[in-house]
Amino acid sequence: ILNVEQSPQSLHVQEGDSTNFTCSFPSSNFYALHWYRWETAKSPEALFVMTLNGDEKKKGRISATLNTKEGYSYLYIKGSQPEDSATYLCAWGGAGGSYIPTFGRGTSLIVHP
Amino acid sequence: NAGVTQTPKFRVLKTGQSMTLLCAQDMNHEYMYWYRQDPGMGLRLIHYSVGEGTTAKGEVPDGYNVSRLKKQNFLLGLESAAPSQTSVYFCASSYTRTGGDGYTFGSGTRLTVV
Repeated sequence: ILNVEQSPQSLHVQEGDSTNFTCSFPSSNFYALHWYRWETAKSPEALFVMTLNGDEKKKGRISATLNTKEGYSYLYIKGSQPEDSATYLCAWGGAGGSYIPTFGRGTSLIVHP
Repeated sequence: NAGVTQTPKFRVLKTGQSMTLLCAQDMNHEYMYWYRQDPGMGLRLIHYSVGEGTTAKGEVPDGYNVSRLKKQNFLLGLESAAPSQTSVYFCASSYTRTGGDGYTFGSGTRLTVV
């Protein structure tokens, strides 16, 4: 079983704060890294899929970076809003196995008004 | 635009009963997946399919069977349900094995085995 670790496990911030969390994954045989947003009582929704070292993706106030050589990705949220409250999942796909992404356990973000 | 539809949404089974969960997608995706989600465990892959007529085991396949007779449907079966199979089950689909633009998930099935 390949380890995909996310930190912190949970995070409480105030509205307007900027925040970031980390996804760590095996640096060998990297193929793709996914980020998903998962709101309570809904299904996970894809934010980004990154494949190249140094990739940076942005969607509104949310952005992500990728370092495949050292095996980590950061997700940033600028000016957090209560509607950003969700669990953020990352998933690592490796070329050494089936390529199917392995999910981390997620970071739960709660933004207080 | 339905995306991925799972039925049923909720089910309570007695130990030893059988049931089938249905996943249907209308995006012409080749790849389909069944995951289970348990507290503190994240999403774990049960079985997946790389195309019509194919299936393969994931991380936690024991106690489950699957079939992909039609490209748009992926069925997950529990032959003899056990309390350890109490979980929330998610189906997902994608254009490519590596996810392409990301997986599209269904809304989940909450299964309780008593």
